[in-house]
Amino acid sequence: AQSVAQPEDQVNVAEGNPLTVKCTYSVSGNPYLFWYVQYPNRGLQFLLKYITGDNLVKGSYGFEAEFNKSQTSFHLKKPSALVSDSALYFCAVREGFGDYKLSFGAGTTVTVRA
Amino acid sequence: SQTIHQWPATLVQPVGSPLSLECTVEGTSNPNLYWYRQAAGRGLQLLFYSVGIGQISSEVPQNLSASRPQDRQFILSSKKLLLSDSGFYLCAFQDGASWDGYTFGSGTRLTVV
Repeated sequence: AQSVAQPEDQVNVAEGNPLTVKCTYSVSGNPYLFWYVQYPNRGLQFLLKYITGDNLVKGSYGFEAEFNKSQTSFHLKKPSALVSDSALYFCAVREGFGDYKLSFGAGTTVTVRA
Repeated sequence: SQTIHQWPATLVQPVGSPLSLECTVEGTSNPNLYWYRQAAGRGLQLLFYSVGIGQISSEVPQNLSASRPQDRQFILSSKKLLLSDSGFYLCAFQDGASWDGYTFGSGTRLTVV
């Protein structure tokens, strides 16, 4: 069965520093990988996805993610974090086009201090 | 453009009362529809999903049910709410013809008292 793991419950960084949120996945075939962000009392917002192609994917709000097949990872990165990036981040995987369901990680709370 | 509407935004209900949460989608046909619950602002629990009218798959047996009376309408219901039903409920859709993930509604904060 497909799954993702987010090993860190919380990530704290200073504004202006690089931000990395880690995600590893497990699927039997080629993964479709996603990152979402959730602000308090809001629905999840799509940040970026990897389906195929370049391993470095660029998304919304200056975020990017690197797909690493050998390490089965899909870490989310931002070169210079903003206080407004403070939120809950979810990694998700879909096992192929015929699969109807996304499997979500447990989420990582990012706090960016001024 | 594709949009999703979910209401109400907040709801306070007494134990034993019924529940009906509604979700509608615009701008797409035959979407895959999903109900999630999020407890304590953390992980997402898939409750139900539907790939067509009248087709409902339940992921977790519990006090809730779901229905899809129309192509772009998804309803979450309960006959008698429990305290443990409190949480943040999220509806989502996926365009079955695309390679994309989900688009989420804005959520309903349910408090059972």
